[in-house]
Amino acid sequence: DTGVSQDPRHKITKRGQNVTFRCDPISEHNRLYWYRQTLGQGPEFLTYFQNEAQLEKSRLLSDRFSAERPKGSFSTLEIQRTEQGDSAMYLCASSLGDSRDTQYFGPGTRLTVL
Amino acid sequence: ELKVEQNPLFLSMQEGKNYTIYCNYSTTSDRLYWYRQDPGKSLESLFVLLSNGAVKQEGRLMASLDTKARLSTLHITAAVHDLSATYFCAVDMGKIIFGKGTRLHILP
Repeated sequence: DTGVSQDPRHKITKRGQNVTFRCDPISEHNRLYWYRQTLGQGPEFLTYFQNEAQLEKSRLLSDRFSAERPKGSFSTLEIQRTEQGDSAMYLCASSLGDSRDTQYFGPGTRLTVL
Repeated sequence: ELKVEQNPLFLSMQEGKNYTIYCNYSTTSDRLYWYRQDPGKSLESLFVLLSNGAVKQEGRLMASLDTKARLSTLHITAAVHDLSATYFCAVDMGKIIFGKGTRLHILP
């Protein structure tokens, strides 16, 4: 297994466009997390899934953001009507069970909104 | 308010010296994590601390957790240049909250 993968690695879009990111966790990992990180800051929690169930959403996740994990494997994060303030690194992580387990992070998707 | 505070935020130190990074958090938790991030890279898990008094060591890094004081420390022994990175602590307080990170620069 090669670890958590994310696609694309970089995305440049114009304000108002929709974007979708994909995360493939380590196989057999039940938990999947999404974070956002801006320059010089720590990651900010967005949401997490236990298998296909979305269990927690941050208030940071406005109505323009939606995440899915339809079959309990890969996940997608969609941002609608992007704004310049959405520019950030979007990180995905997975863990085997609950929060007692190590989270393994993917390489991230860097979003730039022009 | 759920807060995780790291101290210091920036640290420049010489090789061979010892130093400690502190992580305070605002609400009871017994799940604390330390990560390393190199510039332009993602996060690498260093330690997962799951109980009061937990201590873990890996090479020149040692982490401990005091849940009563809501405090974790990351101690660096005889620092080497390769340890230059940003170190984050994160705490599970219902959702996982990260500190702002400590940017560590080790001078040869």
